[in-house]
Parts: sequence; structure tokens; C-alpha cells
Amino acid sequence: GIQVEQSPPDLILQEGANSTLRCNFSDSVNNLQWFHQNPWGQLINLFYIPSGTKQNGRLSATTVATERYSLLYISSSQTTDSGVYFCAAAFGNEKLTFGTGTRLTIIP
Amino acid sequence: DTEVTQTPKHLVMGMTNKKSLKCEQHMGHRAMYWYKQEAKKPPELMFVYSYEKLSINESVPSRFSPECPNSSLLNLHLHALQPEDSALYLCASSKREASSYNSPLHFGNGTRLTVT
Repeated sequence: GIQVEQSPPDLILQEGANSTLRCNFSDSVNNLQWFHQNPWGQLINLFYIPSGTKQNGRLSATTVATERYSLLYISSSQTTDSGVYFCAAAFGNEKLTFGTGTRLTIIP
Repeated sequence: DTEVTQTPKHLVMGMTNKKSLKCEQHMGHRAMYWYKQEAKKPPELMFVYSYEKLSINESVPSRFSPECPNSSLLNLHLHALQPEDSALYLCASSKREASSYNSPLHFGNGTRLTVT
């Protein structure tokens, strides 16, 4: 199955900073999703982005499927952005494979 | 607010108890999922229901028994669990179009289960 690697594993930033989270995958995908899990365990779907670029407020994501990576950009970080960011990928009807996540801590 | 509702939020049960976790969605999704998430790990798929039929069972022990009574509801029946089954149990749903699961996955807030 697909291998999904995320980097960095941990990131600590001051409020207001920008950040880029990376997701590498080992094979072709037609399903790529980014999630945010807050400190209370709630998992929110941020983007469904098997290719191309999408933006939602301060967050944007880009997937370059041919080069097997996806990036999540967070601008002007807020403390509420803290938590773990997961990317998950799949091809065809295979189950989604989750990466191990990036733990983001925003310091006021 | 999440559109996938899970109850209870917390559950403590003994190894001889029988309990059930419940999940409900009203988004018209025809695929529903159970995931298990241990501390500091990503979610792991347990079961997938497609059009109310079990389509994927990830070799989950029989002490976990899923049920999909209708297109909006998903249950997970628990019996004779072990302490290592303590985890966050997440329900999710997605559209199911043709033969594809390729649509956004929406998670509930989870049930935090402790087995004593």
C-alpha cells in the first residue's frame, strides 16, 4: 500500500508566523486529504485535494501528484491552529492511509 | 459543530461489560466508517459500511461488532474488551458515488473509551 510521510513531526511557532507542512506519498494517488485534530480530539477535514491548489481563509494547500507531495500552508498563525495536522492518501478504492502527523504548537 | 454525532463522549467499562457506541449523520452519505485512534498515533481503519452493507473489515477482533441499522446510523457493539482496547473511537462518513470512496471524510467528535 501507499506510504505517507509527513514533516516536520513537531513545529513550535510564535503567534502570527507562517508555516508550511509537507506530505510525501510513495505512489500515485487520486485521493488526498488534510485534517486538523484539535487538542480535544476533534478531527476536521481541511481540504480534499488530490491535485492542484485550494485556499480557505488563512489556509491553503497544494498537491503536485506527479511529484508525489502535498503542502499545507498556514499564514498568520493563531493559537487555535495548534493541534496535529494529518494528511491521508489513497489510490482507487484502497483505504485512506494516514501519515503520522505534524504536531503544531502556536505560542501567544 | 460536527455533522457527524457520536455518543457517548466518554465511556468507562469493565472487561465483562457489554456496551455500544453510536454514530449518526444526516448528510445523505452512504459510506460510514469506524476508526480507532491510540494516543499520539493516526487513526486506524476498523470497518467500512457502504450502502448499509459491511464492505471492509480490517481484521478486527470479534469483540468489536459493527452494525448499520439504516443509512444514517452506525453502531459499534463492544463485549469482553481488553485494557489495550482503550482509545478514541471515531466515526466518519463520506459520499459513495459509483464505486468510488474518493470524497471528503467527515469525522465525529469521537468516544473516548477506557477499559478497566
